[in-house]
This record gives sequence, structure tokens and C-alpha cells, in this order.
Amino acid sequence: AQSVTQLGSHVSVSEGALVLLRCNYSSSVPPYLFWYVQYPNQGLQLLLKYTTGATLVKGINGFEAEFKKSETSFHLTKPSAHMSDAAEYFCAVMTDTGGFKTIFGAGTRLFVKA
Amino acid sequence: DTGVSQDPRHKITKRGQNVTFRCDPISEHNRLYWYRQTLGQGPEFLTYFQNEAQLEKSRLLSDRFSAERPKGSFSTLEIQRTEQGDSAMYLCASSLADGGRTGDEQFFGPGTRLTVL
Repeated sequence: AQSVTQLGSHVSVSEGALVLLRCNYSSSVPPYLFWYVQYPNQGLQLLLKYTTGATLVKGINGFEAEFKKSETSFHLTKPSAHMSDAAEYFCAVMTDTGGFKTIFGAGTRLFVKA
Repeated sequence: DTGVSQDPRHKITKRGQNVTFRCDPISEHNRLYWYRQTLGQGPEFLTYFQNEAQLEKSRLLSDRFSAERPKGSFSTLEIQRTEQGDSAMYLCASSLADGGRTGDEQFFGPGTRLTVL
């Protein structure tokens, strides 16, 4: 069975600083990996996904994530935080053999200080 | 707007009552998912449909819960004899499965917030 662990329920950074949100997954078969963002009172929106091929994935709003199979990680980064990045971020895993159900992590709330 | 829509956005009910939620997916999408999200948690998978067929159902979904997707278009999620523990945000998402290894980019609706008193 798949699972996702997001380290840190809250992360606080200063505007302009590096953003690093950590995600580790468990899967016995090649996974699809996703990062979603949820702004207050809005639905979840896909930031980026890894399916196959290049392990460094670029997404919207300057975010990127690197799939590291040896570390079973898919950490999300952004070189320079902006106030508008303040939101809840969810890492998720899906597999073909898992019936296409998506397992989400508990989420990390990102705070950006001026 | 052609995104995923959910109705109602908010529902307050008394314990023991039945409630039904509706989800209208993006029109060409063949997969439809239901999730439940409680405060401070990520969405928990409940069930999903490929066209009109319900292919997967979580053990979280007790026999009080039932979902349908007649004709493979909109879907309904019904909760019978609601309990206070059912209070949560119920999310619907849809995706277009193309048969290749592209993953499932799911488009989420705004959710229905259920409060059981």
C-alpha cells in the first residue's frame, strides 16, 4: 500500500528566502507523485507531477520538485518565497496498481513573513 | 466557468438525517473521485468512478455512504443517518484518463462543507 509523509505541519520563511517542503513516500511499484496547493477557501490546485522520465519536475509559480528513488523523496522547492505563496501544500502518491486512488499527505502550511 | 462544481457548498444537518451532495465534473473527464477532508488533514480517498462504474471504494466508506454516477456524468454522494463524525469537507475531483503513463491530474471542486449537529 502507498503512503505519504510530509515532515513539518508548518513551515515559516521570510520573503525572498528558499522554500523547502519535505515529502517522503512509500510504494512498492513505480509511483506517480504530485504536489497540490490549497489557498484559503479555494479548491486544491495541481502544482506539479512526476510520472516518468526526468526526475526534476518544474511546476507553476516557480516551484520544482525532485524525485529521488533511493531516498523515496519528492521534496518541493522554490528559490525565493513570495507573500502569495502562503498556503497549504499537499504531497500525494498514486500507482497504476493501486487502483488509481490518490493518497495525500497531511499537508504543510507555509507562512511567508515580510 | 468549466471547472468542477459541487452543490451545495455548505450543509448543516441534524444527527440522523440523510444528506446528498452533487458533483459536476469537467465535461470530457471520465474519472471522478470523492474525498473527505477534516481540519488539519489531507484529503482522504473515499471512492472513484471510471465513467459510470465505481471501481474502488475505501474502507472508510461505511454502509451509510453511497455514491453513484449515472450515465457517467455528474455524481452524487449520499450519507444516511448522519453522525457528528461525518462533519468534514467533501471534495470531488475529476480527471481524464488517456491510457498512458501520464498520471491523473485531478481537478478539484470547491467542496461541500458538512456540519452535523
